[in-house]
Amino acid sequence: GAVVSQHPSRVICKSGTSVKIECRSLDFQATTMFWYRQFPKKSLMLMATSNEGSKATYEQGVEKDKFLINHASLTLSTLTVTSAHPEDSSFYICSAEPPSGGYNEQFFGPGTRLTVL
Amino acid sequence: AQSVTQLGSHVSVSEGALVLLRCNYSSSVPPYLFWYVQYPNQGLQLLLKYTSAATLVKGINGFEAEFKKSETSFHLTKPSAHMSDAAEYFCAVSYGGATNKLIFGTGTLLAVQP
Repeated sequence: GAVVSQHPSRVICKSGTSVKIECRSLDFQATTMFWYRQFPKKSLMLMATSNEGSKATYEQGVEKDKFLINHASLTLSTLTVTSAHPEDSSFYICSAEPPSGGYNEQFFGPGTRLTVL
Repeated sequence: AQSVTQLGSHVSVSEGALVLLRCNYSSSVPPYLFWYVQYPNQGLQLLLKYTSAATLVKGINGFEAEFKKSETSFHLTKPSAHMSDAAEYFCAVSYGGATNKLIFGTGTLLAVQP
């Protein structure tokens, strides 16, 4: 159980275009999902917290107009990179948290490699 | 601000040798602590977690970690390294509550030599 999928696993796009990445919890409902960005040989940087039915909470320094997050249902969150540029090229990873009180474990997706030409 | 420090960005061990990956956290409040493993071009897989129960935590693939409050440490160990253990390892901390954000360390790349 506790499987999180991401689609696509890899995407190449031209500069100026928008790219949508999907994150799905396959066997549980997730009221909260997280989006991370990982640069080569670097750690994961939390970009935003996505809550079902409400606006995402962005970390300091993350452009909310550039990285649009929509948590449309309890099993799906999407990250749209708008007007992508080469510096947006990165590995994007999502995680999902099952609902309950107190501490919850996060389950991670396999990641999406974005390359902007 | 809370932080996680992983000493050693690269660790190399021989197959069969002890694996020790270090993690220290900065906080006056005991957090929840995790070790994750990441293989190339893949997401993160949870190895083990400490959530204020037993201080010695056993995880998957023969790994274990001990929470030492006095040292604010949560080092990861494995008695005998296997070639398949070669990967990136991340220590992370969370304080639970309404926003269960994970704060990651910078990672340690483990190489296993034959």
